[in-house]
Amino acid sequence: AQSVTQPDIHITVSEGASLELRCNYSYGATPYLFWYVQSPGQGLQLLLKYFSGDTLVQGIKGFEAEFKRSQSSFNLRKPSVHWSDAAEYFCAVGPPGGGNKLTFGTGTQLKVEL
Amino acid sequence: GAVVSQHPSRVICKSGTSVKIECRSLDFQATTMFWYRQFPKQSLMLMATSNEGSKATYEQGVEKDKFLINHASLTLSTLTVTSAHPEDSSFYICSARTYSGEATDTQYFGPGTRLTVL
Repeated sequence: AQSVTQPDIHITVSEGASLELRCNYSYGATPYLFWYVQSPGQGLQLLLKYFSGDTLVQGIKGFEAEFKRSQSSFNLRKPSVHWSDAAEYFCAVGPPGGGNKLTFGTGTQLKVEL
Repeated sequence: GAVVSQHPSRVICKSGTSVKIECRSLDFQATTMFWYRQFPKQSLMLMATSNEGSKATYEQGVEKDKFLINHASLTLSTLTVTSAHPEDSSFYICSARTYSGEATDTQYFGPGTRLTVL
């Protein structure tokens, strides 16, 4: 069965510092990969997605993610974090060929210190 | 583009009553919509997959008679929580799937509905 692991439940970074959120997945084939962000009491906003092709994916708000097949990872990065980036971040996988039934990780809560 | 709305954003009801939550794709047609439930500080749990014009597919452990889903049009799906009880209190989030080719296959999420059952 597919699964998504986000090893870090909480991460605290200083504003202006770089950020990397980890995501590892278990899947029979290369799945579709997504990163979503959720602000308190809000729904999820898509940051970026990977289906195929270039393994470095650019998203909104200055985020990027790199797909590493050998490590079954899809880590999210940002060179310089802003205070407004404080939120919950979810990694998700979907079956290749179709975005049905996303499987979500447990999320990483990002706190930004000023 | 790809905006999904939910209504209401927040609802408080008495135990035993039914509550309907609407999910709309505002600028695209969605043949498939999904309903999730999120408990505090936890991830999203898929409840059911809703396909336009057909019966919803429920995940294991989700009571289909308690959580009624209707997907009558390509832009609207509704979730009705019947005979709600305090344990049904939760944050309910819908998503709508875009698909016009593999590269566009993505779920876009609504802002969620906070249900509190007294």
